[in-house]
Amino acid sequence: SQTIHQWPATLVQPVGSPLSLECTVEGTSNPNLYWYRQAAGRGLQLLFYSVGIGQISSEVPQNLSASRPQDRQFILSSKKLLLSDSGFYLCAWSVGAGRTDTQYFGPGTRLTVL
Amino acid sequence: GNSVTQMEGPVTLSEEAFLTINCTYTATGYPSLFWYVQYPGEGLQLLLKATKADDKGSNKGFEATYRKETTSFHLEKGSVQVSDSAVYFCALISANAGGTSYGKLTFGQGTILTVHP
Repeated sequence: SQTIHQWPATLVQPVGSPLSLECTVEGTSNPNLYWYRQAAGRGLQLLFYSVGIGQISSEVPQNLSASRPQDRQFILSSKKLLLSDSGFYLCAWSVGAGRTDTQYFGPGTRLTVL
Repeated sequence: GNSVTQMEGPVTLSEEAFLTINCTYTATGYPSLFWYVQYPGEGLQLLLKATKADDKGSNKGFEATYRKETTSFHLEKGSVQVSDSAVYFCALISANAGGTSYGKLTFGQGTILTVHP
């Protein structure tokens, strides 16, 4: 069966520091991968998605970037964190990108920027 | 564009009460509809989904019917338990303005459900 891992689970970082969050998927090949952010008291917003190695699409302009160095690895990064980057970051995967494809979410990383 | 509107929360119920969480949507093209649940401190879990009009998704006693005529996908459960306390998200996937779909989930704001013994 497929599993999705995220780490770290929680992170407290000072403003201006760099960020690297990692997501890996097991048990499937060539998944579509997604990064979402859930700000406090709000719904989820898609940040990036990837249909293959090195292929990244950004949904919203922001202080973050994403990379996919391996088939089942998806990394979210920042060179300098802002207070507004605080939130709950969720990685997800799906088999395809069609309208009926279900996205499966990881456990999330809670980021606090101080 | 695509959007999802959920009823405002929080919703507080006693155990064994009937639950309804309303969800309506607007979408480009023909959407698939989903309900996800988020337990405290955890990621999202798929609760149920429906991919065409009049389909009923069901799981763990929860049900939702895809109503195209009213653009709705209301979540119901006949008898809630304390363990159902969580945040519930309605979501959709549909084509973008260009007519293609790349799997972008559009979420509602979430509804907090608290069930008391």
